[in-house]
Amino acid sequence: EAQVTQNPRYLITVTGKKLTVTCSQNMNHEYMSWYRQDPGLGLRQIYYSMNVEVTDKGDVPEGYKVSRKEKRNFPLILESPSPNQTSLYFCASSLGRGIDTQYFGPGTRLTVL
Amino acid sequence: GDSVTQMEGPVTLSEEAFLTINCTYTATGYPSLFWYVQYPGEGLQLLLKATKADDKGSNKGFEATYRKETTSFHLEKGSVQVSDSAVYFCALNGNTGNQFYFGTGTSLTVIP
Repeated sequence: EAQVTQNPRYLITVTGKKLTVTCSQNMNHEYMSWYRQDPGLGLRQIYYSMNVEVTDKGDVPEGYKVSRKEKRNFPLILESPSPNQTSLYFCASSLGRGIDTQYFGPGTRLTVL
Repeated sequence: GDSVTQMEGPVTLSEEAFLTINCTYTATGYPSLFWYVQYPGEGLQLLLKATKADDKGSNKGFEATYRKETTSFHLEKGSVQVSDSAVYFCALNGNTGNQFYFGTGTSLTVIP
């Protein structure tokens, strides 16, 4: 089954404790992206990747890192999480960019205390 | 920069009512436009899209027309069902094809 998976689905952590949210897709998609969803703000793009070893900042990259060492995986790293990073995070992938349909993962709900 | 402005919600309609959710955009050039839907507890799914002016996207009875003159991409459905209850997001993909901009989302509840 074609899908985007994220782990963990739920995470409660404390300020400053490094964490990684994994994202994997099995569709051989080139483009992958991370978003955060906050009430009243909709989805905002954090980082995106157009292919292996090619990543770039979206609208809200501060406090986040990403890497794309393999085509299928695109982990999101929070080196020193803060309470303002409490949010619902979505990973997405698409065949290419632009007009191609993005396929979204189920989301990761992160709480930083 | 590029942006999307979407009608505020929540919207509550009776079954079989007509639905319009307004979406306007700001972008340079010729962006691609999308409507995504999010059902409770799930990720977003593409509902429909349009890639150039006057294109009409349609799916599952929903329609939206890319109007460059009014920079709009309003979502419509002639007769909503309870199963259409969800959050709807308008989005655009800018000229470079790399970045996406989403609206704030409009929550729709359809009551029997």
